[in-house]
Amino acid sequence: EVVLTQSPGTLSLSPGERASLSCRASQPISSSYVAWYQQTPGQSPRLLIYAGSTRATGIPDRFTGSGSATDFTLTISSLEPEDFAVYYCHQYGDSPRNSFGQGTKVEL
Amino acid sequence: GQLVQSGAEVKKPGTTVKVSCKVSGVPLSAYYIHWVQQARGRGLQWMGLVDPEDGEAVYAENFQDRVTITADLSTDTVDMELSSLRSEDTAIYYCAIMAGNDYDFWGQGTLVTVSS
Repeated sequence: EVVLTQSPGTLSLSPGERASLSCRASQPISSSYVAWYQQTPGQSPRLLIYAGSTRATGIPDRFTGSGSATDFTLTISSLEPEDFAVYYCHQYGDSPRNSFGQGTKVEL
Repeated sequence: GQLVQSGAEVKKPGTTVKVSCKVSGVPLSAYYIHWVQQARGRGLQWMGLVDPEDGEAVYAENFQDRVTITADLSTDTVDMELSSLRSEDTAIYYCAIMAGNDYDFWGQGTLVTVSS
């Protein structure tokens, strides 16, 4: 089973700053099978990035996914107020088994 | 696509809960349906999935002994049963289509509370 470890646990930043979120896999996976989700309180997760670097419909271009093998990154180039949330990486390369990272909270 | 889940449940330890997920706007047979657990203040835990076309299910190791996921094509519904409930199972449970592309939909979540 692929274990995903996200860091840091919490990122304290201000609007306009750049956020860099890390996701490390316990074994190599294809970037084609990595996604990133955003979750705000009381809401279901929302897909931001799939296939490692493809933005989902309606996701602004300040969100960028990158990485390969065991190291993946979500970058938010300039934080907007609505970006303060929890972010999860997700892998589906160990198909059919999936797994999520434990999350990174981006807080003000 | 739209996924609508059944309502909140309160269960006693040691019992079984069933959460339902009604799928509309997409043929149920077209996509795997996943279940995800989120305990209060915790992250997302993938529990398993079902292929509605043939009913085959795959479960995460952590839940393998206690979870059963089934699909009913005649009612476009997927059920998740979790047995031998304990307090740590108090959580929100989500059904989801995570197709690995832009086709990604989640239910609204169902709160299951386990309390004596």
